[in-house]
Amino acid sequence: EAGVVQSPRYKIIEKKQPVAFWCNPISGHNTLYWYLQNLGQGPELLIRYENEEAVDDSQLPKDRFSAERLKGVDSTLKIQPAELGDSAVYLCASSTSDRGGNEQFFGPGTRLTVL
Amino acid sequence: QKEVEQNSGPLSVPEGAIASLNCTYSDRGSQSFFWYRQYSGKSPELIMFIYSNGDKEDGRFTAQLNKASQYVSLLIRDSQPSDSATYLCAVRGGVLQGGKLIFGQGTELSVKP
Repeated sequence: EAGVVQSPRYKIIEKKQPVAFWCNPISGHNTLYWYLQNLGQGPELLIRYENEEAVDDSQLPKDRFSAERLKGVDSTLKIQPAELGDSAVYLCASSTSDRGGNEQFFGPGTRLTVL
Repeated sequence: QKEVEQNSGPLSVPEGAIASLNCTYSDRGSQSFFWYRQYSGKSPELIMFIYSNGDKEDGRFTAQLNKASQYVSLLIRDSQPSDSATYLCAVRGGVLQGGKLIFGQGTELSVKP
């Protein structure tokens, strides 16, 4: 069974440029998460989807970040415009549902460098 | 106070020793507790989770939970160099946290041959 797929794996852009990350969750997983992980820190939730609905986006900086999961399968996270402080690893995860001990499976991440 | 706190380490133990990793959390409504392992440059992978007070064992790993003290730990017996990684404690928050998973900053473990 394929795991969570993310692309690109690495991205280098100049500040003020736009950037987009793509995630394809494990087949059959209704819940999809986008996390941000800074160096030396644990992942921090940006947004959680249940199917195509964003049910928790309280930590998403909506002035520059946007996300979509139009058909309830794959998802795109966009930053426009990027700032120097956005340099981090962006992780996508999926699970069968968001409750109890259900495991979240993480993708390999996209390492973003903003120059 | 951070919601989930871990000693950042690094924690260094000799091969074959017991490694003890600790985590405290602030939300008394938390119900589920997870330990993830993250190798350098890789994504987190689940080792085990616990939701009842006491110990839960899985091979060389034992998770311990004390809800009264808001404390969860991970013991790794017979530590191997391949266990060298960052260990992330994650807590599923209560109603006030929207039930989301909150991660600590991670403890870096180094097992010396």
